[in-house]
Amino acid sequence: AQSVTQPDIHITVSEGASLELRCNYSYGATPYLFWYVQSPGQGLQLLLKYFSGDTLVQGIKGFEAEFKRSQSSFNLRKPSVHWSDAAEYFCAVGGNAGGTSYGKLTFGQGTILTVHP
Amino acid sequence: DVKVTQSSRYLVKRTGEKVFLECVQDMDHENMFWYRQDPGLGLRLIYFSYDVKMKEKGDIPEGYSVSREKKERFSLILESASTNQTSMYLCASSLLSGWVKPYEQYFGPGTRLTVT
Repeated sequence: AQSVTQPDIHITVSEGASLELRCNYSYGATPYLFWYVQSPGQGLQLLLKYFSGDTLVQGIKGFEAEFKRSQSSFNLRKPSVHWSDAAEYFCAVGGNAGGTSYGKLTFGQGTILTVHP
Repeated sequence: DVKVTQSSRYLVKRTGEKVFLECVQDMDHENMFWYRQDPGLGLRLIYFSYDVKMKEKGDIPEGYSVSREKKERFSLILESASTNQTSMYLCASSLLSGWVKPYEQYFGPGTRLTVT
């Protein structure tokens, strides 16, 4: 069974500081990996995705993530955080191992990001 | 822009009531999903549908049913609401075709349901 672990429930950073949110996954084949963001009172929005090729992927709002197969990780990074980045971030895994999955995703528990001025 | 709308942002129901949560998407997506979101548990898939009148159980289907009579509309039904179904409910949609597009889900704003 596939699973995702986000070890940090809550992270606090100062505006302008760098950010790294951790994500570890378990999947039996090559995974498709995603980061979604949920701003307060909103639904989730796709930040970026990895499905093949270059292991460093760029997303919206200046975010990037690196797929490391040997560590089963897909950590999200941003070099300089803005106050508007305060939100909850979800890592998710999916894939087509075992046949058609119809786009089913397994989500992690989420990491709440607080940004101090 | 893809738009996924949910019928209510906030809903308060009594134990034992039958509850309908409606979701509508305007991008002709084949896939539609219902999740519940609880603090510390992330999102958990309740049901999904890949075509009209088709439905598949997700990870936590107990106590829920769904209906998809039209492509754009996917309803979640709580047959007899219980207090442990108090939660945030999120609807999402995606395309069916392609390797990756099915996983690029577009979410509605959510319905916060309280069962008293």
